[in-house]
Amino acid sequence: RKEVEQDPGPFNVPEGATVAFNCTYSNSASQSFFWYRQDCRKEPKLLMSVYSSGNEDGRFTAQLNRASQYISLLIRDSKLSDSATYLCSCSGGYNKLIFGAGTRLAVHP
Amino acid sequence: NAGVTQTPKFRVLKTGQSMTLLCAQDMNHEYMYWYRQDPGMGLRLIHYSVGEGTTAKGEVPDGYNVSRLKKQNFLLGLESAAPSQTSVYFCASRAPKRGGWNEQFFGPGTRLTVL
Repeated sequence: RKEVEQDPGPFNVPEGATVAFNCTYSNSASQSFFWYRQDCRKEPKLLMSVYSSGNEDGRFTAQLNRASQYISLLIRDSKLSDSATYLCSCSGGYNKLIFGAGTRLAVHP
Repeated sequence: NAGVTQTPKFRVLKTGQSMTLLCAQDMNHEYMYWYRQDPGMGLRLIHYSVGEGTTAKGEVPDGYNVSRLKKQNFLLGLESAAPSQTSVYFCASRAPKRGGWNEQFFGPGTRLTVL
């Protein structure tokens, strides 16, 4: 079983839609969680950190459920520019981040 | 600041050839990482370093060696390339943070094909 699992998608949604991604992790000792965004043929870039209390950044909301060991990302009012692959990650020890394989989002007009 | 840079951007090797990928960062980060990314597999950690002169194995270290002789550079070596090492290689770096986790920055990647 992979340490971090994501639905690969693709999620095809119209502009303005709300879309949610979930990600499950197996290491109950993980302390830090993140969502990264990766555009086609580019490097991953940090989208947002995920805190125990949840956090929001504009149209993006991230939440953590430690009991069920999953993190989520909600995107409201989707834009064409949101089309990308979203990688979730969690700390796999003191120094390492473990990444999921990514969920692809395609926003269409 | 250039951030994290990688050299080369593209490379084609024949089976059995060797090469070194160079990663450089100008952010004075202690920690540096090498990942490979394959379709459906996500980013997998090859080796990492928590400081100059130190290295450690990640999830998929076989067939690779690394060196961190200078704080700003992290080299990934393939001694005898195999087709299974065809991948996109990303380097990353971050600063340590007590009780937390600072942002991890990635380089632009190296696309390697082994024939």
